[in-house]
Amino acid sequence: DAKTTQPPSMDCAEGRAANLPCNHSTISGNEYVYWYRQIHSQGPQYIIHGLKNNETNEMASLIITEDRKSSTLILPHATLRDTAVYYCIVRVRWGGSNYKLTFGKGTLLTVNP
Amino acid sequence: NAGVMQNPRHLVRRRGQEARLRCSPMKGHSHVYWYRQLPEEGLKFMVYLQKENIIDESGMPKERFSAEFPKEGPSILRIQQVVRGDSAAYFCASSPEGLNTEAFFGQGTRLTVV
Repeated sequence: DAKTTQPPSMDCAEGRAANLPCNHSTISGNEYVYWYRQIHSQGPQYIIHGLKNNETNEMASLIITEDRKSSTLILPHATLRDTAVYYCIVRVRWGGSNYKLTFGKGTLLTVNP
Repeated sequence: NAGVMQNPRHLVRRRGQEARLRCSPMKGHSHVYWYRQLPEEGLKFMVYLQKENIIDESGMPKERFSAEFPKEGPSILRIQQVVRGDSAAYFCASSPEGLNTEAFFGQGTRLTVV
């Protein structure tokens, strides 16, 4: 598995953009970058994923550097309900369509009023 | 489209009893994953199953834990002779066939061993 490195915690003001960085310098060419979040005691929630192009959906944007060694998750207008642990995961693939997700420690994002 | 359903949401067992945790994947999903989260710790992969097959059980404790995903019905995570150290949140995730697909998680079962 390619390892990921994330800051343990970040703060953001409500209404401002939250930019969460992730380093994955050993990522392989066929590995995707996934982002999940876990709001206190709930099940992890899928946010977004990408291979090499920038991606955007209704929740967030994902910016992947050209060399794919790092990425940034952007929550454009953070709200108090976005306070959660955010996990950057590089997906392992073996044997056809089989894969699993390996969670690290993630970043605790605290959105302040 | 119902999400991943786990039951029970909360389960209390006495030491030595058996715990059975159920997971119904999303409709059309044929891959199921179980994860465990100990108090104040991260999510740890336990087992990955497809219908009637265990694909990867590298995260399962060697004893007392087993998992199945039968042709019909939910996936079951079974813990025999529970001990206090088994107290944790157990999450199930499911995904459809395919490479570029995301996994969706249930809300978990919180097991408390007393």
